[in-house]
Amino acid sequence: DADVTQTPRNRITKTGKRIMLECSQTKGHDRMYWYRQDPGLGLRLIYYSFDVKDINKGEISDGYSVSRQAQAKFSLSLESAIPNQTALYFCATSDLVRAGELFFGEGSRLTVL
Amino acid sequence: DQQVKQNSPSLSVQEGRISILNCDYTNSMFDYFLWYKKYPAEGPTFLISISSIKDKNEDGRFTVFLNKSAKHLSLHIVPSQPGDSAVYFCAAFHDQFYFGTGTSLTVIP
Repeated sequence: DADVTQTPRNRITKTGKRIMLECSQTKGHDRMYWYRQDPGLGLRLIYYSFDVKDINKGEISDGYSVSRQAQAKFSLSLESAIPNQTALYFCATSDLVRAGELFFGEGSRLTVL
Repeated sequence: DQQVKQNSPSLSVQEGRISILNCDYTNSMFDYFLWYKKYPAEGPTFLISISSIKDKNEDGRFTVFLNKSAKHLSLHIVPSQPGDSAVYFCAAFHDQFYFGTGTSLTVIP
């Protein structure tokens, strides 16, 4: 089983719908992240959390919200999806000691029609 | 504004030769640099890193070079193997991670 698991792996939805992407990890890491990958733009940080009570905005947080339900769970929500949120989304974790190394999930491909 | 740039979207190299992937950055506050490798339908995986106090780090076939004065980072793969074919992301860290746009490496058998 993967150390960082994302669900769903693929989702097609319509403009205006609410979508939640979920991430769970078994690595015991405190730090969790949500990234978005777009062609030609690389990986961009949406939100990150250093522990259960800590939530921080990344460079492209507008239109997104997150919830850190437990150390192992970090979910990303799109309250009202729009087509330019069509992208590949990655959850990642890291620990404090080796904070420079991110462990990524396999990605969630979201298409907003 | 892109703080970490990979200006070559793709690179093709013959098996056994050297692959050199380049990365430029603009923020002098970055204190840690990393390379990640990504295969299709998988998440990126950590490959190698270097602290800003060093200019070279080597791990097997992979060597990362850092030129702070030029704000330039490079990854050398020697010898290149077909299994190295993937997208490589450069990343820099200061408070948070900043990623480049990726270079797709194809190693031709």
